[in-house]
Amino acid sequence: QQQVKQSPQSLIVQKGGISIINCAYENTAFDYFPWYQQFPGKGPALLIAIRPDVSEKKEGRFTISFNKSAKQFSLHIMDSQPGDSATYFCAASNSGAGSYQLTFGKGTKLSVIP
Amino acid sequence: DGGITQSPKYLFRKEGQNVTLSCEQNLNHDAMYWYRQDPGQGLRLIYYSQIVNDFQKGDIAEGYSVSREKKESFPLTVTSAQKNPTAFYLCASSIGRGAETQYFGPGTRLLVL
Repeated sequence: QQQVKQSPQSLIVQKGGISIINCAYENTAFDYFPWYQQFPGKGPALLIAIRPDVSEKKEGRFTISFNKSAKQFSLHIMDSQPGDSATYFCAASNSGAGSYQLTFGKGTKLSVIP
Repeated sequence: DGGITQSPKYLFRKEGQNVTLSCEQNLNHDAMYWYRQDPGQGLRLIYYSQIVNDFQKGDIAEGYSVSREKKESFPLTVTSAQKNPTAFYLCASSIGRGAETQYFGPGTRLLVL
């Protein structure tokens, strides 16, 4: 059972455009939602994260929007650049479970074309 | 220079052979994790350890084993019982106080000869 569903699988955006990646979760006990960025052949790196007490968090060109009632969260990349071309993973975890496990979405491959 | 190191970068396994992947961290983190990544499958948790001398199975532990004898080290053994071991293996660590950031190593790609 996939607990975090991520879409789309792949995304092509023109340079300067907005990239939007969506995730939906089922477990209402999830209380930490990070996004990771992974370049080919490298390990994922934390990009930005949010907790459900806020509806939006912005860091530079990257914004997470969070909708608790819909159990959805999304990553917006403003002014997308070719250097943003990577695979992006959303994830979720339940701190109350005490196991620190992250459940990942299946990833979105973003290509930003000049 | 703090971080997580994984070795080797590439590893080849023959049929019936056990191989061990190394993971070391100097971040003084309590918790460590092993993930397997396959194309289009995201990251799946194999094992995790919250403290030295203790570890728990993740979602896909069959055919794998781990040890945690030192805080900074969490090696993963891919046994001959793992029938489809070809994948990208990622080690991660976190401070260990709950739901917080996991920091990943550069990964080891395992290929079967």
